[in-house]
Amino acid sequence: DGGITQSPKYLFRKEGQNVTLSCEQNLNHDAMYWYRQDPGQGLRLIYYSQIVNDFQKGDIAEGYSVSREKKESFPLTVTSAQKNPTAFYLCASTGMGLIEQFFGPGTRLTVL
Amino acid sequence: AQSVTQLDSQVPVFEEAPVELRCNYSSSVSVYLFWYVQYPNQGLQLLLKYLSGSTLVKGINGFEAEFNKSQTSFHLRKPSVHISDTAEYFCAVRIPMDTGRRALTFGSGTRLQVQP
Repeated sequence: DGGITQSPKYLFRKEGQNVTLSCEQNLNHDAMYWYRQDPGQGLRLIYYSQIVNDFQKGDIAEGYSVSREKKESFPLTVTSAQKNPTAFYLCASTGMGLIEQFFGPGTRLTVL
Repeated sequence: AQSVTQLDSQVPVFEEAPVELRCNYSSSVSVYLFWYVQYPNQGLQLLLKYLSGSTLVKGINGFEAEFNKSQTSFHLRKPSVHISDTAEYFCAVRIPMDTGRRALTFGSGTRLQVQP
């Protein structure tokens, strides 16, 4: 079955540590996205990538970094510069000719 | 820039009763409109979308939504809810002319709580 996988499902981080969240898709989509979800705030765009080896900042990119070395993969690194990283992180993708985005199951990050 | 307002953060309703979840948007250009559903600790699943044409859109799980251009609204409705409809619902917009970023702008969500 085609879809988007995210790992791990739950992640715990100590303050000052960088952590990397994985996102993989086998839908052959060209564009991939990372959103952050906080209670009562909906989803906010962190980074997006339209093509391999290229990505752009979204609305809340500070404290995050990404890479897009392969079409199927778009990992997100939450750095120690992110002041309030505890949140639910969602990866999404879309393809040429598609209108909607498809979402992965999410990763819940908790800073201890 | 566009924005989405979901007027109710929580909507409690009894099983088999009808429900309406409200969504208003702001945009200076035409938009695509979406409703997504999120079950606890899961990703988002598309319920329905409006691109153009008929203003009444039918989606999965018996949901439908009506696009009202003059009111800039896209309210979601279901005539009879089930316990299994308990979830968070998100309204979102996308600008058709934005063929580059293709990102969605989301509302803050409405938690639907169906009670027996």
